[in-house]
Amino acid sequence: NAGVTQTPKFQVLKTGQSMTLQCAQDMNHNSMYWYRQDPGMGLRLIYYSASEGTTDKGEVPNGYNVSRLNKREFSLRLESAAPSQTSVYFCASRDTGAPNQPQHFGDGTRLSIL
Amino acid sequence: KQEVTQIPAALSVPEGENLVLNCSFTDSAIYNLQWFRQDPGKGLTSLLLIQSSQREQTSGRLNASLDKSSGRSTLYIAASQPGDSATYLCAGGPVGDAGNMLTFGGGTRLMVKP
Repeated sequence: NAGVTQTPKFQVLKTGQSMTLQCAQDMNHNSMYWYRQDPGMGLRLIYYSASEGTTDKGEVPNGYNVSRLNKREFSLRLESAAPSQTSVYFCASRDTGAPNQPQHFGDGTRLSIL
Repeated sequence: KQEVTQIPAALSVPEGENLVLNCSFTDSAIYNLQWFRQDPGKGLTSLLLIQSSQREQTSGRLNASLDKSSGRSTLYIAASQPGDSATYLCAGGPVGDAGNMLTFGGGTRLMVKP
């Protein structure tokens, strides 16, 4: 089972460049999430999509946009990358058909912005 | 705003030892409390999820407890093995958000020495 797949796994950008991180899940989950993980800061929620067609801001949404393309795919876009956005980005999904289901995570995208 | 703290940040134990990881949270109105494992360079894997109405959950050598009144959760690992070496994170979600807006602790990095 693939689970949650993130592409690319690594990326280096220059300040001001734009980029879209891709995420796809094959578990037929309704909800999808984007997090960033930074040393000393833990994981912080950027945006989430509770269901297809909806998106909501998390704790740190500034500088990012998201698109829930369909039930399977949820992308994260950096329009004008800044060094402060250097981080490891994780996508997750969750089955909301039953209560109290855990989130399932991808292996992350390691993004460096010079 | 929910704050989640994990102490210690790092722990090293000899193989076979029983150990306890601690997680504290500031807002007792949580939807559930989750424990995850993260291996280096990988995403998070859900270990245990304790619903707000529950006191504990068990899976194999792992037992997680939840005490909302004191704002604490513990993860007990019995008979630790080198394969248990990883970072363990706890996360809580607020009531009314159905588990979308998880707040993560900074994690405890565990090393089990052969």
